[in-house]
Amino acid sequence: GAGVSQTPSNKVTEKGKYVELRCDPISGHTALYWYRQSLGQGPEFLIYFQGTGAADDSGLPNDRFFAVRPEGSVSTLKIQRTERGDSAVYLCASSLTLTGQDEQFFGPGTRLTVL
Amino acid sequence: AQRVTQPEKLLSVFKGAPVELKCNYSYSGSPELFWYVQYSRQRLQLLLRHISRESIKGFTADLNKGETSFHLKKPFAQEEDSAMYYCALVEGNKLVFGAGTILRVKS
Repeated sequence: GAGVSQTPSNKVTEKGKYVELRCDPISGHTALYWYRQSLGQGPEFLIYFQGTGAADDSGLPNDRFFAVRPEGSVSTLKIQRTERGDSAVYLCASSLTLTGQDEQFFGPGTRLTVL
Repeated sequence: AQRVTQPEKLLSVFKGAPVELKCNYSYSGSPELFWYVQYSRQRLQLLLRHISRESIKGFTADLNKGETSFHLKKPFAQEEDSAMYYCALVEGNKLVFGAGTILRVKS
């Protein structure tokens, strides 16, 4: 079956603009995660959802970042007033259930460049 | 906060040589540890997890609580093992990753 998909694959924007990054998880997976990966670093947790609700958003760096999952499937990560420091690869992952032992399946990522 | 340390950014070995990718962690409790791998132009994928005690593609990893380590080992490296390897632990329900180690297997 299809894996996790993310769109767009690349996004270039100007400082101060608003961007939306989309994630389509594996069908039937209840848990969805967002990570951010800066150059030379491992992925860093941003937020995860169990169903429609954000179960843990402690990794969001500030209030410019927001994520939704209104129907418990597709999720959108929204970044307002983008800054150059937001440039990174944004990874989405999903797992069957929300237990730490479940394998997280990753998408290909969205590379965000803020000029 | 829990931490995962991968001290080597790059490990270069010859084909057929043994490989050990180091991973150290700090965690209060019994950790759940994983190795993820990213091959060139592919997405991040699970390689193995310590609770299953399995060998995947010839790789094994043993949890050493005394040394707080979870090193990844393979007795004979193959060229197709060249990739980026990340060690990760579970904190709550999220993954905490190390910075990663590039493994380069030379022919």
